[in-house]
Amino acid sequence: DAKTTQPTSMDCAEGRAANLPCNHSTISGNEYVYWYRQIHSQGPQYIIHGLKNNETNEMASLIITEDRKSSTLILPHATLRDTAVYYCIGPRNTDKLIFGTGTRLQVFP
Amino acid sequence: AAGVIQSPRHLIKEKRETATLKCYPIPRHDTVYWYQQGPGQDPQFLISFYEKMQSDKGSIPDRFSAQQFSDYHSELNMSSLELGDSALYFCASSLAGTNTGELFFGEGSRLTVL
Repeated sequence: DAKTTQPTSMDCAEGRAANLPCNHSTISGNEYVYWYRQIHSQGPQYIIHGLKNNETNEMASLIITEDRKSSTLILPHATLRDTAVYYCIGPRNTDKLIFGTGTRLQVFP
Repeated sequence: AAGVIQSPRHLIKEKRETATLKCYPIPRHDTVYWYQQGPGQDPQFLISFYEKMQSDKGSIPDRFSAQQFSDYHSELNMSSLELGDSALYFCASSLAGTNTGELFFGEGSRLTVL
């Protein structure tokens, strides 16, 4: 079962930063947090993952709290094409991904 | 870069018929995963294979079977189709042992059962 909690939906104005929170209070010290997104009816897409340090790549930034019980995915300048369902996933007991409910992000003009 | 290829992209079947979905992973990837996503639902893990052996099993019905072949492509066989099997079926692939643990998903096969 998924062991993360995310808000069901969020809105964000185009060009603004989108901050998507995730609670993963059961995660243990050596377990990564992964973020994927699914644009309508497309295959899920990897965004970023992290362990304890903040991470940044060309798509997003991931801020992980010091106690590792929560994290925030940041899309610095949201565009309409970022409208999607965002999944926070962790921990992973095996290689497979278990998708929870995710956050439906709507970016509006 | 080559991505995960799924075929067919769309498939329409009648109840009680059989369907086969195919998945061609990214070259050199040794692990394949199958997911089912019903209308308005989140992707549900069905089954996975590593080096042609079943590595994990999720909520896959007994009517479904899958295998991974020597060229690493995989097939999902679905028999005695029911209306509730109508869904998007995603295949994903990965290379075991990589640091990122990233799964690469295909564009999916949409199965409609009438």
